[in-house]
Amino acid sequence: AQSVTQPDIHITVSEGASLELRCNYSYGATPYLFWYVQSPGQGLQLLLKYFSGDTLVQGIKGFEAEFKRSQSSFNLRKPSVHWSDAAEYFCAVEGTYKYIFGTGTRLKVLA
Amino acid sequence: NAGVTQTPKFRILKIGQSMTLQCAQDMNHNYMYWYRQDPGMGLKLIYYSVGAGITDKGEVPNGYNVSRSTTEDFPLRLELAAPSQTSVYFCASSPRDSVYEQYFGPGTRLTVT
Repeated sequence: AQSVTQPDIHITVSEGASLELRCNYSYGATPYLFWYVQSPGQGLQLLLKYFSGDTLVQGIKGFEAEFKRSQSSFNLRKPSVHWSDAAEYFCAVEGTYKYIFGTGTRLKVLA
Repeated sequence: NAGVTQTPKFRILKIGQSMTLQCAQDMNHNYMYWYRQDPGMGLKLIYYSVGAGITDKGEVPNGYNVSRSTTEDFPLRLELAAPSQTSVYFCASSPRDSVYEQYFGPGTRLTVT
């Protein structure tokens, strides 16, 4: 069965520091993978997605993610975090007509 | 476009009461979804629909019902509210030709006491 694991529940970084959020998936075939961001009190917004091709995917707000089949991972990165990036981040894998979401990583940014 | 809209934003129910959470989208999307979000649990799919008149159960359908009479609307019905249904509910939609990208509404925060 498909599943997604986000091993870090909380992460705290200083503004301007680099960021990596981990995501591991379990899927029988080539997965469709997504990262969403949820700001406090808001719905989810798509950051980026991977369907096929180049394993390094660029998204909005300066985020990128790298698909590594050998590690079953799809980690999200940002070179320099801004205070406005404080939010909860969800990794998801495609299932039939629907997503399987991870449990989320809450990012705190220190000034 | 307003995108995906949900009403109400907040609601408090007593145990055993019923209510309908409204969801509408103006993007002519065929696919619509209802999720619930509990702290530390991510999002769980309750029901989904691939078009008007077609609905199917997701991961956690018990205690809920849906209908899809039009492309635009996908209401979620709670018949006998229970404390376990205290959660934040999100509606989402996706277009036929990009079924894997979903657009989310702002959510409804429901408390059952």
